[in-house]
Amino acid sequence: DAGVTQSPTHLIKTRGQQVTLRCSPKSGHDTVSWYQQALGQGPQFIFQYYEEEERQRGNFPDRFSGHQFPNYSSELNVNALLLGDSALYLCASSLEGQGANYGYTFGSGTRLTVV
Amino acid sequence: GESVGLHLPTLSVQEGDNSIINCAYSNSASDYFIWYKQESGKGPQFIIDIRSNMDKRQGQRVTVLLNKTVKHLSLQIAATQPGDSAVYFCAENIGAGSYQLTFGKGTKLSVIP
Repeated sequence: DAGVTQSPTHLIKTRGQQVTLRCSPKSGHDTVSWYQQALGQGPQFIFQYYEEEERQRGNFPDRFSGHQFPNYSSELNVNALLLGDSALYLCASSLEGQGANYGYTFGSGTRLTVV
Repeated sequence: GESVGLHLPTLSVQEGDNSIINCAYSNSASDYFIWYKQESGKGPQFIIDIRSNMDKRQGQRVTVLLNKTVKHLSLQIAATQPGDSAVYFCAENIGAGSYQLTFGKGTKLSVIP
């Protein structure tokens, strides 16, 4: 049973560019959350998607946007990249019927480096 | 979320000893707490959770204690093994329709063989 799959695993971008990160949730899960983890810190909540809509957002600027597809997979887009956006981006999936905050399964993340 | 520095608190324990990792959570309204283990290059892995109507919960080799009076959470690992070496995070959720997990400062556990 595949867990959460994220792609790519590593990415290097230049300041000002745009990036798209992808996430396939664990089989049977329908809710996807994105977190940003800077080096040496705990993950910070970006937003959560359910039924193809963003239903909660953390303290991140509009440069961060996302999408959820009918198959429950999700994308995270970041525009106008800043050096400070360099981080590990984590996707977590869960099943709404069990309480979307319970049973989170995290992927291994995408390491984004902005130069 | 909390603002944390680059240098994680570190706990070094001898293999076979018990480990206790502490966490001060931020919101007195939080009603659900989770401990995660994160190994290098991997995402956080669920260890154990506890709801605010409990003060103790046990799993396999792990116990979580919750003290709501002082907003304190601890994770006890029995008979610590080299494979337990990782960074450990506590996370909280305030419920009430919030879907956000707020992570605390991590603690790096190093097990000495």
